[in-house]
Amino acid sequence: KAGVTQTPRYLIKTRGQQVTLSCSPISGHRSVSWYQQTPGQGLQFLFEYFSETQRNKGNFPGRFSGRQFSNSRSEMNVSTLELGDSALYLCASTQFSDGGNEAFFGQGTRLTVV
Amino acid sequence: DAKTTQPTSMDCAEGRAANLPCNHSTISGNEYVYWYRQIHSQGPQYIIHGLKNNETNEMASLIITEDRKSSTLILPHATLRDTAVYYCIAFVYGGSQGNLIFGKGTKLSVKP
Repeated sequence: KAGVTQTPRYLIKTRGQQVTLSCSPISGHRSVSWYQQTPGQGLQFLFEYFSETQRNKGNFPGRFSGRQFSNSRSEMNVSTLELGDSALYLCASTQFSDGGNEAFFGQGTRLTVV
Repeated sequence: DAKTTQPTSMDCAEGRAANLPCNHSTISGNEYVYWYRQIHSQGPQYIIHGLKNNETNEMASLIITEDRKSSTLILPHATLRDTAVYYCIAFVYGGSQGNLIFGKGTKLSVKP
């Protein structure tokens, strides 16, 4: 079956703009998590959605937001982009909210803010 | 989620077994041990996970000590394509902190 799909793969934006990234989870997976990866901070958790509800949130400013649709697809939005938002944004999907379930990651969207 | 400790880097000869240790001395009873790896600029790849018993799949084996305070990921015949950063994570999905916490991981270099 198809893996986690993230679009677009690469994006260049100007400081102050906003951006929307998309994630299509594996069919049947109801949980979608978002992570930011930078060379300095490593992989950091942004938020998790399960059945269209945000269940957990990491320590990021309110400029970072997300949502999940009824088909489990998820989007994340970053408003008023800053240079420091340049990063690889990763999405992971998990089948069920219980211990012992593995998360599958997409290839990520590489965002460059200039 | 419990904190894990891993060596910063390790080398392994191609064809030999790679044994990657992980310390998770504060792991709680319902936390699983997960292993992921990340090859440069790609998304992390799930390898294996376990709770108490040793586990084996087509990629690797996971050995968890009886007291669950440490574990070892074993790649039985390492290849150059196994060069990656390996992350050990103690985690229970669906809890109040339902997210994987990635540390620095171990950078494994497989050499010819």
